[in-house]
Amino acid sequence: EAQVTQNPRYLITVTGKKLTVTCSQNMNHEYMSWYRQDPGLGLRQIYYSMNVEVTDKGDVPEGYKVSRKEKRNFPLILESPSPNQTSLYFCASSLPGLGVFEQYFGPGTRLTVT
Amino acid sequence: DAKTTQPNSMESNEEEPVHLPCNHSTISGTDYIHWYRQLPSQGPEYVIHGLTSNVNNRMASLAIAEDRKSSTLILHRATLRDAAVYYCILRDRGAYNQGGKLIFGQGTELSVKP
Repeated sequence: EAQVTQNPRYLITVTGKKLTVTCSQNMNHEYMSWYRQDPGLGLRQIYYSMNVEVTDKGDVPEGYKVSRKEKRNFPLILESPSPNQTSLYFCASSLPGLGVFEQYFGPGTRLTVT
Repeated sequence: DAKTTQPNSMESNEEEPVHLPCNHSTISGTDYIHWYRQLPSQGPEYVIHGLTSNVNNRMASLAIAEDRKSSTLILHRATLRDAAVYYCILRDRGAYNQGGKLIFGQGTELSVKP
């Protein structure tokens, strides 16, 4: 089954404790993205990757890192989490295409930073 | 990408058709119209897209006004499972190198009554 998986699904952590949220897709997609969703702000893109070893900042990259060493995986790293990074995070993937983007989203990771 | 305007919420009865409107008066000639939906506690999922002509797929139909300044997502027989937030998103046909970013607005929250 074609899917995007994220782990963990729920995480409660403390300020400053480094964490990684994993994302994996089994569709051989070149594009992968991370979004965060906050009430009243909708979904906002954090980072994206157009292919292996190619990553770039989205709209809200501060406080996050990513890497793309393999096509299928795109982990999101919070080196020193802060309470303002409490949010619902989604990973997404798609094939590149001119204007038409059927993006596949993961189930989400709910992160709470205390 | 041009902006879209949708009603905040709509109600429907189960097994009746639902017409979800979207205004995009500043759409450019190269913008595709995409619809995504987000079921409760899930990531967004692709519904349908179109450029100029009306489109049908297994999930829904998309009716595009002749001047392209508005469109309507049509669910032919709403079920309880269709209760979700529906997002209308424009994306430029030439936007190959924008990292797959989708700009989600606030969407329309559809509730379906039994």
